[in-house]
Amino acid sequence: QVKLQESGPGLVKPSGTLSLTCVVSGGSISNSNWWSWVRQPPGKGLEWIGEIYHSGSTIYNPSLKSRVTISLDKSKSQFSLKLNSVTAADTAVYYCARDLSIAAAGGTFPWFFDFWGQGVLVTVSS
Amino acid sequence: DIQMTQSPSSLSASVGDRVTITCRASQSISIYLNWYQQKPGKAPKLLIYAASNLQSGVPSRFSGSGSGTEFTLTISSLQPEDFATYSCQQSYNARTFGQGTKVEIK
Repeated sequence: QVKLQESGPGLVKPSGTLSLTCVVSGGSISNSNWWSWVRQPPGKGLEWIGEIYHSGSTIYNPSLKSRVTISLDKSKSQFSLKLNSVTAADTAVYYCARDLSIAAAGGTFPWFFDFWGQGVLVTVSS
Repeated sequence: DIQMTQSPSSLSASVGDRVTITCRASQSISIYLNWYQQKPGKAPKLLIYAASNLQSGVPSRFSGSGSGTEFTLTISSLQPEDFATYSCQQSYNARTFGQGTKVEIK
């Protein structure tokens, strides 16, 4: 059973940098998965932030791309999120998740988030 | 960017009701559509992947259908533990979630 655990400061000042880490256990971070960050502002829907492949390749949400960096540390079995120039609009619960692909019908290889961390609330406030 | 639109945004239903939630994509996404259930204060839980495949351990009263731009999630007989928010998500190009549908007790 794969487990993911987020950690990081719960309070960040406006214009500062939000930094979170997700530790992966129960499975190898080097497997052919993407490792993702998703956030949810209070009372709102889920927003995909971006993800990193085991090779180090990254893809980001275009609306956040200029402010986001996701990195991978295989030796510590963890991946990290940095979001800079934060404002109150970045206040949210931040989740890490595994983005898995399997062979499915018709020769397709769908991707889906099968394991999630419990989430961490990050508040942007002075 | 691919936009995902769910309808309705919320609904009220009774235990035993059949419930259907619709998700529309702004362009064709083949079958690259997943459904999640989320309860307050909890992480989302995968229900359906690739439009119609039931995730292991998910009750068979949940089903998904569709392809291209229109998809549905059906709960055949709503149970007390099913009152939650349901979100669709595409994985055809990057990743995008729908805004969610809250299923409330009538």
